[in-house]
Amino acid sequence: DQQVKQNSPSLSVQEGRISILNCDYTNSMFDYFLWYKKYPAEGPTFLISISSIKDKNEDGRFTVFLNKSAKHLSLHIVPSQPGDSAVYFCAASATGANNLFFGTGTRLTVIP
Amino acid sequence: DTAVSQTPKYLVTQMGNDKSIKCEQNLGHDTMYWYKQDSKKFLKIMFSYNNKELIINETVPNRFSPKSPDKAHLNLHINSLELGDSAVYFCASSATPDMGEKLFFGSGTQLSVL
Repeated sequence: DQQVKQNSPSLSVQEGRISILNCDYTNSMFDYFLWYKKYPAEGPTFLISISSIKDKNEDGRFTVFLNKSAKHLSLHIVPSQPGDSAVYFCAASATGANNLFFGTGTRLTVIP
Repeated sequence: DTAVSQTPKYLVTQMGNDKSIKCEQNLGHDTMYWYKQDSKKFLKIMFSYNNKELIINETVPNRFSPKSPDKAHLNLHINSLELGDSAVYFCASSATPDMGEKLFFGSGTQLSVL
C-alpha cells in the first residue's frame, strides 16, 4: 500500500523559473516530512524537512509547504538552476513509528 | 572523504549464489539502515540497527541477514539469490533511530541476479 505518492514522474522547467514538486500522503498519523534529492549513481541526500506543526519551512531557494487537511505537501525551488536537475523524493514518518515511507520520486530537469 | 560508503557498487551474479554488500559510515552515527529500491523506484526500509542491535526488520526473507560488527559497519549478506532480488540496495545512517532524523545514504549497490 503506497502511503506516499508523487504522481508526477517528471517535470521540466526553464532555468530561473519556479519548480513545484508535489507529494500526497494517505496516513493522517504522519507528522514529519522530508525531501531528498538524488543524482544518478549517487544515494539520496537530505534537502529540507517540515514538521506537522508548521505549514511552511524555507531554506534558501527551497521552500516546503504542508497542507494537512489536504494531506499534501509541495517543494518549491526558486529560482531553478541546472544543478537542481535530479530526482526528488518525498518521505513521511509518524512519531513513534519505525518506518519512513518514500514516494517514487519526481525527475526534475532544469533547462538552461 | 565519503561519509557512508558501500561496496561493491555493482554486483552481477547467478541465481542461487550467496553474496555480501558492505557498508561503513564515518559520521559517528548510532543508527544504520539497509534500504531497497525496486524496479518501480520504491525505496523501502529493510533493516535498522542501533548501536549494533537490530531494531527494525521489515518482513524481509530470511535469506537476507544483516550483520553489524560495530556501530560504524552494517553488512548485508544474501543467501540463495533469486531473480526478484535484483534491485539497488542503499545503506544509510542517522544520528538517532528517530524516523524523522535525516538519513545519510551511501551511493548504492546495483544488484543484478541472472
